[in-house]
Amino acid sequence: AQSVTQLDSHVSVSEGTPVLLRCNYSSSYSPSLFWYVQHPNKGLQLLLKYTSAATLVKGINGFEAEFKKSETSFHLTKPSAHMSDAAEYFCVVRGGYQKVTFGTGTKLQVIP
Amino acid sequence: NAGVTQTPKFQVLKTGQSMTLQCAQDMNHEYMSWYRQDPGMGLRLIHYSVGAGITDQGEVPNGYNVSRSTTEDFPLRLLSAAPSQTSVYFCASSYSFGENYGYTFGSGTRLTVV
Repeated sequence: AQSVTQLDSHVSVSEGTPVLLRCNYSSSYSPSLFWYVQHPNKGLQLLLKYTSAATLVKGINGFEAEFKKSETSFHLTKPSAHMSDAAEYFCVVRGGYQKVTFGTGTKLQVIP
Repeated sequence: NAGVTQTPKFQVLKTGQSMTLQCAQDMNHEYMSWYRQDPGMGLRLIHYSVGAGITDQGEVPNGYNVSRSTTEDFPLRLLSAAPSQTSVYFCASSYSFGENYGYTFGSGTRLTVV
C-alpha cells in the first residue's frame, strides 16, 4: 500500500519567518517524492523532487526538502517566508508502475 | 512553448448532459493523465495514458471516458453529467511514466453540474 499524509491542513507564518510544511509517506517501493505548489485558481507547479540521489533537495523560490528514510518524511522548508509564498502545497509520492498518490494539501498563509 | 492547455476554463452543465474536456500538450510527452480536485481530498486520478492508443483507468474512472488518438491530445468525456462530478479537473503530462519525472499541469477546468 502507498499513502501520503500531510500533517497540517493549514499553516500560518509571519513574513520573514521560517516555513515548515510536513509530509510523511509510506510505500512498498523506493519512492520518488515531489512537492507541488498551487496558487489560487491556477494549476499545480513542481517545486522540487527527490529521486534517490541527494537526500537534501533544493527547489525553486528558495524551498528545499530533506528525505529521511528512517522517519519516512519529506518535509518542505524555507528560511524566510515571502507574501508570494501564500498558496496550497501538495506532497506527492510516486512508487511502482504508475502509482502516484497526492496528499490532501497544506494551505500556507503568510501574515504581513 | 504552451505546455499543457486545457479548455474550457469554466463550464456549467445540467444533469444528464454530456461534454468533452479538452487537453493538449506540445512537449511530446508520452504520459498524460486526468485528475479531479475536490476540497480536502487532494487530487484523484481518473484516467491515464502511457502513449497514443493506450489508456487505463485510475482511482475514480466511473462516469468518464478517454481516448488518445495522438500524442498531443487527451480529451476527457463526461457521458451523463451528475452533480457528484462538480469539481476542478486537471490534465497533467510527463515525459515518461518512469518514476523520476514530475508532471506539467494545465490550469484546470472548473465544472459545475446543476
